[in-house]
Amino acid sequence: DSGVTQTPKHLITATGQRVTLRCSPRSGDLSVYWYQQSLDQGLQFLIQYYNGEERAKGNILERFSAQQFPDLHSELNLSSLELGDSALYFCASTLGTGSYNEQFFGPGTRLTVL
Amino acid sequence: QQQVKQSPQSLIVQKGGISIINCAYENTAFDYFPWYQQFPGKGPALLIAIRPDVSEKKEGRFTISFNKSAKQFSLHIMDSQPGDSATYFCAAGSNYQLIWGAGTKLIIKP
Repeated sequence: DSGVTQTPKHLITATGQRVTLRCSPRSGDLSVYWYQQSLDQGLQFLIQYYNGEERAKGNILERFSAQQFPDLHSELNLSSLELGDSALYFCASTLGTGSYNEQFFGPGTRLTVL
Repeated sequence: QQQVKQSPQSLIVQKGGISIINCAYENTAFDYFPWYQQFPGKGPALLIAIRPDVSEKKEGRFTISFNKSAKQFSLHIMDSQPGDSATYFCAAGSNYQLIWGAGTKLIIKP
C-alpha cells in the first residue's frame, strides 16, 4: 500500500458528461502528479501540483483541469468526455517538487466512457 | 530531445533466464534514471534508480547498467521468476522533469 488513495475506483459514464477524480497524497507529501494510462499504453503525464500551485503541465487536454486544495488533496476534472478518454487515471505523490523524488502511485481510477 | 525510447514493447523469458530491457535518451542534461514496476491492476512502484556517476547499480536480482556516452541504460533481471511478470517503465530526467518510456510488458514462463 503506497499510502496514496484515489476515488472512485471505477467510473462508468456517457460521452459528453463531466466527471471528477479525487486523489489524497501520502501524509506529508506536498506534490501531486496526474497520469493517464490507456489500454496497454504507457504513462502520459498530465499535470503536477505542489502545495496548491501548478508546477508542470504535460499532455493535458483543454477539456481537462485539475486543482490541489489547502488540505493537499487533488481533483482532476474531465469534461465533454469522449470515448477516447476511457483509461486508467493515476495520481502519484512526492515529498518535494523535484523529479528526483520517488513517486508513490495510487491504485488508479478506471474510467469507462460509453 | 525529450524522448525516452524503450524496447522491447513486450518480452517473454523462461523462468530462470535473464530479462533485459533497454532505454535510450537524448537530452544530455538528464541525470536521474529510475525504473518503475507495475503489476496488473496496480499503480507503478519504484524498483531501482541510478545516477550517471556510476555505470552499474545492483539490488538483489535487479541491475541497472548505464552507458553515458551512448546515452543508454538497461534493466537486467537475473534468474527471472514468474512473480517478476509485470510492466516495466524506464524514465529519464533532471530535477525539473521526468520523461517516461512507453513500457515493456514482461512475461516469465514457468
